[in-house]
Amino acid sequence: DTEVTQTPKHLVMGMTNKKSLKCEQHMGHRAMYWYKQKAKKPPELMFVYSYEKLSINESVPSRFSPECPNSSLLNLHLHALQPEDSALYLCASSQDWSGAQMDGYTFGSGTRLTVV
Amino acid sequence: ELKVEQNPLFLSMQEGKNYTIYCNYSTTSDRLYWYRQDPGKSLESLFVLLSNGAVKQEGRLMASLDTKARLSTLHITAAVHDLSATYFCAVGLGSQGNLIFGKGTKLSVKP
Repeated sequence: DTEVTQTPKHLVMGMTNKKSLKCEQHMGHRAMYWYKQKAKKPPELMFVYSYEKLSINESVPSRFSPECPNSSLLNLHLHALQPEDSALYLCASSQDWSGAQMDGYTFGSGTRLTVV
Repeated sequence: ELKVEQNPLFLSMQEGKNYTIYCNYSTTSDRLYWYRQDPGKSLESLFVLLSNGAVKQEGRLMASLDTKARLSTLHITAAVHDLSATYFCAVGLGSQGNLIFGKGTKLSVKP
């Protein structure tokens, strides 16, 4: 299995809702990432987990809460989002947190989130 | 702060022509990645460049890395319509797994 699987693919939520994005990989990768990509912009890093511990939080608002229950799973819990949080949320993984392996980083297909 | 600059940002090519996309970055790094993104889709890994002088080729695309010049190039040979997409370069920052992306080059190949 050489894929990163993200669910759901599309999500519409109200500003008072609580929802979660899920990401799963079975490649034995020990680093997992959340990126946010607005339309026509490059991806921007939100969080890095290395060996199931949060290593980087790029000053992301607390309405986004990451969780890494085990080495294969990464969740992003969403609460009280704003319309400007609408974006494509990408999960990625790498063999280790330098990503300096020949397979680099593997990205999932993303969750397209719309906040109404 | 690491900055990654791609140019051009928009590229309209005719089929059969050659062109090069440039990726400059501002601080030392020996990890450079190229990705392709189709509209509404995720990022597809094209090349992983991990050392100075690295050159990799896949089909009509060839990527190179010059860490001394802090420059990577993505060369397109005899473009075909199927290559139409947005191409991102991304530079690895330090040892913490952070990727800094360029703004992307939107490539349109016309018959």
